[in-house]
Amino acid sequence: DTAVSQTPKYLVTQMGNDKSIKCEQNLGHDTMYWYKQDSKKFLKIMFSYNNKELIINETVPNRFSPKSPDKAHLNLHINSLELGDSAVYFCASSAYPGGGEQYFGPGTRLTVT
Amino acid sequence: QQQVKQSPQSLIVQKGGISIINCAYENTAFDYFPWYQQFPGKGPALLIAIRPDVSEKKEGRFTISFNKSAKQFSLHIMDSQPGDSATYFCAARSSGRRETSGSRLTFGEGTQLTVNP
Repeated sequence: DTAVSQTPKYLVTQMGNDKSIKCEQNLGHDTMYWYKQDSKKFLKIMFSYNNKELIINETVPNRFSPKSPDKAHLNLHINSLELGDSAVYFCASSAYPGGGEQYFGPGTRLTVT
Repeated sequence: QQQVKQSPQSLIVQKGGISIINCAYENTAFDYFPWYQQFPGKGPALLIAIRPDVSEKKEGRFTISFNKSAKQFSLHIMDSQPGDSATYFCAARSSGRRETSGSRLTFGEGTQLTVNP
């Protein structure tokens, strides 16, 4: 059983389109995260939810909107995609906010053309 | 601003050698220092972690050395193997009650390790 799963694994789309990435964790964790990994492999936190409540919202364009329907799921919707949005997006979860042991999903490679 | 600085950016080691990756931080509020390992096409995975009240932690071939006064910590991989080739990230967690929103991991820039056979 995959602990943290993401769909899709690859996403290729054109500028201006809207796309969503879905994440699910079966670890029973309370906290979930979205990270962006750029071409230089730098990992930067974007959002975090704890029990469906948004607790971290980094300086991210408001074209990015996360949504957590329940504590096992965290989705990321991106409007009006731009070239600079191309990156690998990782979902992660931890038992509690800031839990050092975070479990990462396999990532979604987003390419905007 | 980068709160956790990691070096080197890339490292090439021969099989059986020792790989050493260094990290430095500024925020004295950090209370937990994990290292993550990422293979190509995969998500990062926790490798080993240390708290600031301990100067060293060893798990198999992997050792973290922690110098609180210098605000530095390092990962040592003994007897490096080709299977260790991956990107390694140090990280630091800002302290706080577990229920608070501010607690998060800040990652270093990553080190691409290549172990030649």
